[in-house]
Amino acid sequence: GAVVSQHPSWVICKSGTSVKIECRSLDFQATTMFWYRQFPKQSLMLMATSNEGSKATYEQGVEKDKFLINHASLTLSTLTVTSAHPEDSSFYICSASDSRSRELFFGEGSRLTVL
Amino acid sequence: GQQLNQSPQSMFIQEGEDVSMNCTSSSIFNTWLWYKQDPGEGPVLLIALYKAGELTSNGRLTAQFGITRKDSFLNISASIPSDVGIYFCAGRTNAGKSTFGDGTTLTVKP
Repeated sequence: GAVVSQHPSWVICKSGTSVKIECRSLDFQATTMFWYRQFPKQSLMLMATSNEGSKATYEQGVEKDKFLINHASLTLSTLTVTSAHPEDSSFYICSASDSRSRELFFGEGSRLTVL
Repeated sequence: GQQLNQSPQSMFIQEGEDVSMNCTSSSIFNTWLWYKQDPGEGPVLLIALYKAGELTSNGRLTAQFGITRKDSFLNISASIPSDVGIYFCAGRTNAGKSTFGDGTTLTVKP
């Protein structure tokens, strides 16, 4: 079946540094990808919709300058957490929509810990 | 924004028992989905429902898309230990944006 890969699976960084998380659709093209954030024992909260070749659409309350999204190709979207702080520690999950079938597939998630 | 109310929040059952969980929404969705998430992993799709009134099965799982398009339920029959996990409902719009319920944590005692 279709696979969406996230990298890295987990990352630990110091406060103030920036971290980039990649989301790749391995065997299909994805015009649209979605980024979610999940705190422990909580649900997935949509952060932004990433559109290939255009600016991302951010949900209310999500700082676009804090969470930079780049969807440079039909198979890759990146989320960069800039100047990370401990409160940014979370599980970040992407999903990708197959451009042909419109089916949605989730990545395995990336756990960010900011010290 | 759209909100989904998922219940129960958690369940603790004996192996072999049936399980039922549901989601209700304040607004209409075009697609209802049920996912299972294991710790440290992304959600895995269990069942997708595309039409109001649709009843779909996947092995021991059965889910229904409510007639009003504002609710859905998931049933698991004859539970087994590997059913343990967190189950999420999600409503999806035509644009592909999904809103997730708060999850139901299922524990199955052998």
